[in-house]
Formats: sequence, C-alpha cells, structure tokens
Amino acid sequence: DAGVIQSPRHEVTEMGQEVTLRCKPISGHDYLFWYRQTMMRGLELLIYFNNNVPIDDSGMPEDRFSAKMPNASFSTLKIQPSEPRDSAVYFCASSRKTRLGLAGDQETQYFGPGTRLLVL
Amino acid sequence: GQQLNQSPQSMFIQEGEDVSMNCTSSSIFNTWLWYKQDPGEGPVLLIALYKAGELTSNGRLTAQFGITRKDSFLNISASIPSDVGIYFCAGQLIRGSGNTPLVFGKGTRLSVIA
Repeated sequence: DAGVIQSPRHEVTEMGQEVTLRCKPISGHDYLFWYRQTMMRGLELLIYFNNNVPIDDSGMPEDRFSAKMPNASFSTLKIQPSEPRDSAVYFCASSRKTRLGLAGDQETQYFGPGTRLLVL
Repeated sequence: GQQLNQSPQSMFIQEGEDVSMNCTSSSIFNTWLWYKQDPGEGPVLLIALYKAGELTSNGRLTAQFGITRKDSFLNISASIPSDVGIYFCAGQLIRGSGNTPLVFGKGTRLSVIA
C-alpha cells in the first residue's frame, strides 16, 4: 500500500510569495493531520480534519496559514504571504478512527515524508 | 501547545551498547507511541502501547507504558549503526469519539559510534 504522499518534497521561495503544500492520505483513513517541525519547537500540530471537516485549527500560527480538504484523498496547506520564519519541514499524517477498548484494534498516525520549505 | 518532557536530548554511544530514553507528562494518556525519524524522512512508528504497565518488544526495542499513565520508556539493546536517528515519544488520548492529536516530545538524537 502507498503511504501518505506529500508534494513537493522541497520548496524554496521568496518572502511574500504564496506556498501550497499538498497531501494525499492513506486510502481509507478518515483523519488527516498537518504538522510543522523546526529545531526550536519540535513537532507542532497545525490542524486536523475528520471526514474532510476541520476539527481543530488552534495550532495554525496566523491568518496567513489556511488548510483545506476538498475530498477524502486530498488536502492542501497554504501560506500566503510566506515569511522567512515559516521555513520548516511540514508533515502530513493520516489515521483511521479507533474503537476504544479493543486491544490491537487501535490505529495510529502514519506520516508522509514531509515538505522542506525554505523562505528566503 | 502541550509537549512531553523527553530525555536525554542526545546520546553518543558505542556500537553494541544498550540505550534507554524516557518521556514524562503532566497529564494522563491512554496511548503512548514511539517513533523514529531518519534524516529527510517523516517519523515512522516503532512501538505502540495501549495499557498502563504494558511492556512491548519489537526486535531489539522494548518499550513500557508507565503505571501512572504519565510516562514511558524505550530501550534499545545491542545498538547498531542503523539505529542512528531521532526518537520521538508521543502521547495520545483515544476516546470513544475518536482520535485526539498526538502530543510529541522534542526527541532524543541518537548517534552510534562504530
């Protein structure tokens, strides 16, 4: 099975430009998560979706960041306008809904390879 | 946001040595996970723990879910060069209504000297 697919793998852009990151979750997974990883702050959750609906976007840094999930197999994270402090690795992860109390029946999050973003 | 306290931050060990790292939290989780991240890649799940007190092994890796549900440790026995990478602990509260987001430690960077 294909894992979580992210594109592009690397992005270099200039300050002020719009950046769009893309994610295709694992087929059949109904949760999708966007994370940001930096040396200073580690892995931070930005937003997550359940059945294409945003559930918690409290981790989104500011209005320059937006995320959409138009269907079960695609999500985007957009930064407009980008700033140098947005430079980081952005990960997408997906998972299935779990059923509490059934040992071995709980699924966890599987991560994509990440998009390494550099804003100059 | 909430984070776990993971230690040590980094380790340099000789090939063949055993390694131990741990995570603590101020809040309770009902799931503890350990991930490994290789350079240029996303985190990959190593071990998942679902019950307080549970001890689980995966090859040379052993992890335990603390009895208080606020801590977990990971041991690697007889380290080899390919164990190099960053190890992350993560806590999660799984409820009947579904997943909650993972809360991550800041990672333990492991270097193995041949």
